[in-house]
Amino acid sequence: GNSVTQMEGPVTLSEEAFLTINCTYTATGYPSLFWYVQYPGEGLQLLLKATKADDKGSNKGFEATYRKETTSFHLEKGSVQVSDSAVYFCALSVNKFYFGSGTKLNVKP
Amino acid sequence: GAVVSQHPSWVICKSGTSVKIECRSLDFQATTMFWYRQFPKQSLMLMATSNEGSKATYEQGVEKDKFLINHASLTLSTLTVTSAHPEDSSFYICSAGQGTSSYNSPLHFGNGTRLTVT
Repeated sequence: GNSVTQMEGPVTLSEEAFLTINCTYTATGYPSLFWYVQYPGEGLQLLLKATKADDKGSNKGFEATYRKETTSFHLEKGSVQVSDSAVYFCALSVNKFYFGSGTKLNVKP
Repeated sequence: GAVVSQHPSWVICKSGTSVKIECRSLDFQATTMFWYRQFPKQSLMLMATSNEGSKATYEQGVEKDKFLINHASLTLSTLTVTSAHPEDSSFYICSAGQGTSSYNSPLHFGNGTRLTVT
């Protein structure tokens, strides 16, 4: 079947620290992979995407590489800011969208 | 581009009444829209897929007579929670994809509706 597994949060970091949020998936076929971000009280916003193996999605300093051999799509950022505090969702799409459980990130000044 | 507008952003209603939530794609046409429910500190649960001009497709366990979905045009889908009860209190989010049903295209989400049933 199709599913997404994310690391459990919350993740608490100091400003300017390096961020990694792990995401692995299982899928039938060839999925597209996405990271979404949700700020408190809001809907989800697309952060980045990758549609095939070895593609790297990037946006606002965040990056994730589609790794077919490890079925992973880990989210990274070199230097986080307080404004990055939010919940991050990894997702895949094949015949429909499947979301991970979300990882809450808290960045302290 | 690709803005999805959802209204209202929050609503409080009394038990037994019905509540309608609107989801509009502002700058693109959406043949298909999706309705999700999100519980506190949990992921999104797909409730139903709303298809323009035809009946919605509901996920297993979702009561279609309780959660009425209408997709009357390419830019508007509505979710009506009928005879609401406190257990229906939740955060409801709609989303839409641009173009056809290609799942390589990202979903664009509304800002959600916080429903509280008293």
